[in-house]
Amino acid sequence: QKEVEQDPGPLSVPEGAIVSLNCTYSNSAFQYFMWYRQYSRKGPELLMYTYSSGNKEDGRFTAQVDKSSKYISLFIRDSQPSDSATYLCAMISERVTPLVFGKGTRLSVIA
Amino acid sequence: GAGVSQTPSNKVTEKGKYVELRCDPISGHTALYWYRQSLGQGPEFLIYFQGTGAADDSGLPNDRFFAVRPEGSVSTLKIQRTERGDSAVYLCASSSIAGGVRDTQYFGPGTRLTVL
Repeated sequence: QKEVEQDPGPLSVPEGAIVSLNCTYSNSAFQYFMWYRQYSRKGPELLMYTYSSGNKEDGRFTAQVDKSSKYISLFIRDSQPSDSATYLCAMISERVTPLVFGKGTRLSVIA
Repeated sequence: GAGVSQTPSNKVTEKGKYVELRCDPISGHTALYWYRQSLGQGPEFLIYFQGTGAADDSGLPNDRFFAVRPEGSVSTLKIQRTERGDSAVYLCASSSIAGGVRDTQYFGPGTRLTVL
């Protein structure tokens, strides 16, 4: 079993839909959680950064962390075709250490 | 300011050859990471530098892989006797150590290595 599990999809939704992406993990030491977005043939770019449990909102994006269940989520409201990309969850137990990534979920938002 | 840059963007080589991949981090970032991303997978850690020294090289798959960062800025990932299984996108990331979101890792566009 990998440390971080993420359904690779693909996930296809109509424009304007609410998208829910999630990851589960096995290492209870993880306490910093990130979501990266990766467009085709580009490097990952940070979307959300969360420390410990709770919710964080930034525009159309909301990140949730439930450490008791070892489960993290990213919600995208009013999805747009420009949101079509691969979404990677990543996590670390201590600052300034290598990220442990999920496999990534490929999302397509259809106009 | 400029982001992380990587050269070349694409590299095609033959099995058994030697390759070097270069990473230019964001100016002032002391931490530098190399990851490898195979098709349909998330990035997997290879090696991490803090300044000039390798703080953690536990992700290097075998002794054909080596990386240096002699002056604490540019880094080179070196692969000897390349194998077809080395084909992947090699990603470099850099970060400061300032704390919180300020030590976010910023990624370059990657080098796509193809071993024929």
